[in-house]
Amino acid sequence: DIQMTQSPSSLSASVGDRVTITCRASQNINSYLNWYQQKPGKTPSLLIYAAARLQSGVPSRFSGTGSGTDFTLTIISLQPEDFATYYCHQSYDTPWTFGQGTRVEIK
Amino acid sequence: QVHLQESGPGLVKPSETLSLTCTVSGGSISTYYWTWIRQPPGKGLEYIGYINYSGSTNYNPSLKGRVTISIDTSQKQFSLELSSVSASDTAVYYCARRGEVAMLDYWGQGILVTVSS
Repeated sequence: DIQMTQSPSSLSASVGDRVTITCRASQNINSYLNWYQQKPGKTPSLLIYAAARLQSGVPSRFSGTGSGTDFTLTIISLQPEDFATYYCHQSYDTPWTFGQGTRVEIK
Repeated sequence: QVHLQESGPGLVKPSETLSLTCTVSGGSISTYYWTWIRQPPGKGLEYIGYINYSGSTNYNPSLKGRVTISIDTSQKQFSLELSSVSASDTAVYYCARRGEVAMLDYWGQGILVTVSS
């Protein structure tokens, strides 16, 4: 299985901060990397797909970069509604696998 | 707008079979791949498997052959069966659509299934 490792596991940030979350795959996954946001008690929602494509309706303060094994999700100017857990997901090969999640908390 | 809704029992006894159905509305079921994902309480996301409209399936080997996913295109539903369940199968189970670029673009609201006697 392809292992997905996110860092950090959690972070504290303030409204207006720039936040970067990284995801590393255990092997090359080209650009088959997606990012999801999950708020407590809610369903995950797609933010970024194919490493860098913004899902329709997602604010432009979210962006994704990377290819191969190293990827980043960046939130410029963190907003109150962005406090949540973020997961990366590789869809290059089955079984699809997810990162362990990064919890973004209010400082 | 595509909408997915899970249904099924919220409590299953150990060693029995968990059975869930996902109903798709607002779009065609006869394209894309239809997926099951689960999330144990307080933990991360785990891929269970997927099916396409023609019945082609893929399952996570970690579930050791306990999984069956089926589809009924006439009812716009797909289903999950997980046999020989134990407490470690307690989780929120989500159905989701695999979009054109292999992302999970639409999700159901999730259903908590507890395995307990």
